[in-house]
Amino acid sequence: NAGVTQTPKFRILKIGQSMTLQCTQDMNHNYMYWYRQDPGMGLKLIYYSVGAGITDKGEVPNGYNVSRSTTEDFPLRLELAAPSQTSVYFCASSYSGLNNEKLFFGSGTQLSVL
Amino acid sequence: QKEVEQNSGPLSVPEGAIASLNCTYSDRGSQSFFWYRQYSGKSPELIMFIYSNGDKEDGRFTAQLNKASQYVSLLIRDSQPSDSATYLCAVQGGFQKLVFGTGTRLLVSP
Repeated sequence: NAGVTQTPKFRILKIGQSMTLQCTQDMNHNYMYWYRQDPGMGLKLIYYSVGAGITDKGEVPNGYNVSRSTTEDFPLRLELAAPSQTSVYFCASSYSGLNNEKLFFGSGTQLSVL
Repeated sequence: QKEVEQNSGPLSVPEGAIASLNCTYSDRGSQSFFWYRQYSGKSPELIMFIYSNGDKEDGRFTAQLNKASQYVSLLIRDSQPSDSATYLCAVQGGFQKLVFGTGTRLLVSP
């Protein structure tokens, strides 16, 4: 059981480039999330999805887009990368999104925009 | 005022001691409280959650919640060097409103 898998693990982008961070889970979880973590800061929610075809903005959505065509996959798209998007990105999932529920995190993607 | 506040540390304790990690939150309507452990360069992993006032124990870990004081803490008994990590407090205030603190770095010296 792989859990939540993120690719790539590391990436360097030039300003203005675009890329997609991939996330897939094999636990049949309905809820999926994208967080970013800046040094010395807490995790900030970028986007989340409550099921295939349904996505919504989190706390810091500007500069990002998501899609959820299947239960398993939740890619994060960066358009026109900016230095402010240098961060560690974590994908996470949970079964129902209810209170007291554990988030399962992927291993993270370290992104640098230069 | 930050929604979830933690002292960034580092909190240094000797092996075998009790480590006490604290977290305060601003939203009085918060319902559930989580402690995640994050080793350097790794992803967070859940170690405890609590939603009722009082103490909840799981092995060497005890979570304490005081909603009147808007305070949640994590005690780690018999601290081990392997407990050295950053501990993130997360507070759930409503649907999809899970707010993380900045974390407290714990160092356990042999």
